[in-house]
Amino acid sequence: ETGVTQTPRHLVMGMTNKKSLKCEQHLGHNAMYWYKQSAKKPLELMFVYNFKEQTENNSVPSRFSPECPNSSHLFLHLHTLQPEDSALYLCASSQATGTGESPLHFGNGTRLTVT
Amino acid sequence: GQNIDQPTEMTATEGAIVQINCTYQTSGFNGLFWYQQHAGEAPTFLSYNVLDGLEEKGRFSSFLSRSKGYSYLLLKELQMKDSASYLCAFMDSNYQLIWGAGTKLIIKP
Repeated sequence: ETGVTQTPRHLVMGMTNKKSLKCEQHLGHNAMYWYKQSAKKPLELMFVYNFKEQTENNSVPSRFSPECPNSSHLFLHLHTLQPEDSALYLCASSQATGTGESPLHFGNGTRLTVT
Repeated sequence: GQNIDQPTEMTATEGAIVQINCTYQTSGFNGLFWYQQHAGEAPTFLSYNVLDGLEEKGRFSSFLSRSKGYSYLLLKELQMKDSASYLCAFMDSNYQLIWGAGTKLIIKP
C-alpha cells in the first residue's frame, strides 16, 4: 500500500457532470493538500487542511469543493467544470504545516479531462 | 515580490554528471526543496536545504546559497531511470511553498 493513494487515476467528465476525487494517506500525517498541475506550469496550491480544519483556500472557484472528514481522507468534489480545468490533480500530505522540515508526500494524481 | 526560475529542459548522457540550477527571489526564506517526478507519477522528495552548503545523498547532491538566491541539484553517474522532471520549490516566510515550473531532464544512451 503506497503512502498516499488517489482514485480514480483518470477521469473524463462533461461540463454538467458532478464527480469526486478521493485521497487517502496511510502515513499518520496531520496535513493534507490539493494541488493542480498543468503542463509546463508550477504546481498550484488549491486547498490545505491541518488537523481536519481548512487553513488555505487559494482563491479557488466554487466549482471545486473540498471535504476532509478526518486526517486520513480528503475529497475534491467537482461540478460544472470548464475545459480549462483539465489537469493533473495531486493530493499530498505532510506531518504538519508551518515547518520546513516536513516534506510533502504526493499521490500519483488524477488526470482529469473536461469535455 | 517572489519568483523562482529553473530551466525548462536539459539533456545529458548516461554515465555523465548534470547540474540543474534554480534561482529565486523572496524577502523571507525557510528552506528549499527538490522533488523528482517521473511522467505520470507522483513527485517524490529528494532534498531539503535551509543552510548554505552542499548536502550529499548518494548520487544526488543539493547546494544552497541564500545570499545569492541560488540552488542546484547535482546528479552523478546518470542512469536512464533519472529521466524525469525535477521540481524546485522554496518555502517563504509564511511557510508557503513557491514552486518552479520544473526541469525536464532527458538522458541519452
